[in-house]
Formats: sequence, structure tokens, C-alpha cells
Amino acid sequence: NAGVTQTPKFRVLKTGQSMTLLCAQDMNHEYMYWYRQDPGMGLRLIHYSVGEGTTAKGEVPDGYNVSRLKKQNFLLGLESAAPSQTSVYFCASRESGGGLAGELFFGEGSRLTVL
Amino acid sequence: GDSVTQMEGPVTLSEEAFLTINCTYTATGYPSLFWYVQYPGEGLQLLLKATKADDKGSNKGFEATYRKETTSFHLEKGSVQVSDSAVYFCALRANSGGSNYKLTFGKGTLLTVNP
Repeated sequence: NAGVTQTPKFRVLKTGQSMTLLCAQDMNHEYMYWYRQDPGMGLRLIHYSVGEGTTAKGEVPDGYNVSRLKKQNFLLGLESAAPSQTSVYFCASRESGGGLAGELFFGEGSRLTVL
Repeated sequence: GDSVTQMEGPVTLSEEAFLTINCTYTATGYPSLFWYVQYPGEGLQLLLKATKADDKGSNKGFEATYRKETTSFHLEKGSVQVSDSAVYFCALRANSGGSNYKLTFGKGTLLTVNP
């Protein structure tokens, strides 16, 4: 019972490099999210998707791009990494039903360090 | 906009002590309220939730009551255990601008329980 799986779990980049984080969910959820977690800041929403082929900006979208080509996958890309993007990234998903009460299911996180 | 304010940590308690983590919110309408827990090295998972005023969410000995008059959703547990050591996040989801996609988190409270 995999749930939400993130790869890679750890990555070290140099400033200016690019990379993609992959999130895969096997629960047939419509909605998917990317958050970043920083000390003293809680979780902040980067981008989200309400269905295959759709994406939208969250609170802190600058420097990131996303794609949702398949319902089960949500990719987060950094085109030119900056030290300010050092963080722990969490993917989450939920079903479209449940209205305001729907539960978010989280992956285990991806720790990214940009030198 | 929507916001969540929770008590700053860290909170350190001895085993079997009483726990309260305060959470207040600002939102339009009638949001759903949540507590998520993050154990070391893991993603967040739902601890409990409440969807309307005076509802009490409960799970694993934790409780929180949705108080609309004080816009609060304080987390309590009568007797904490070492295994409760984790970061606790208060969160809300409201109908903001007709959208209920976004979950707004507080900054998190680190709880450490000593034997």
C-alpha cells in the first residue's frame, strides 16, 4: 500500500543546476500539491493541481514549475536552483470529494540542499 | 486571507503530563479545522479534524473542540507518552473566493516528551 511516493529523498545541487522531483500516488486522487517546509515557517504551498493536465500557483511559486501529464504523477521542477530553495519538499494528494473536510495524504518528503 | 496561529514551541513535557497546544484561526465562513502530526523523518498525517462549530475531533487520546466564538481549535491530551514526541500542525480549509483547494497550516509546534 504505497500511498504517496516521492523521489528522490535526498539531493544536493549546485547553484544554477536544474532538477525534477517526482511525486506518484496510487489512490486515484484528483488533487495533488507541492509544499515546502522550512524551520519556523511551517508548510507553504508552492503549486497544486486539481486534475490531469491542470496546474495552479500557490503561495510561493517563483523559481518552480510543475506538470501533471498523468493523473497519478505530479512533477516539481527547479530550472536554476538557488540556495534559498534549500528545503524539505512534501507532495500531498486528496480525493476531489469530501469538500472542506477532505484529508491530505503526504509523502515522506524530499530533502534538497542547494550549495 | 485565511491564517492559522499556533503556540510557538518547543514544548517539553514529562511522560504522563497534560498537554495543550493552542491554535486560533482567521477565515471567512465556516472552515474545516485539522490537526496534523509529523513524526521524526516522516511526512505529515492527519491526527483529527472537526467540520462545524462545537464538533470535537478525537484520536489516539488527543482531542480538539471547534470553538467558533473564540475562533480556536486547541489540541489537548490528558497523559502524554514518549511516543507522542513530534511536530503538531494546526490547519484549516475554507471556501476562499469559491475555492476549497488550499489547506492553510500554522507554523508547527515541536513537542518533546521525556521519560
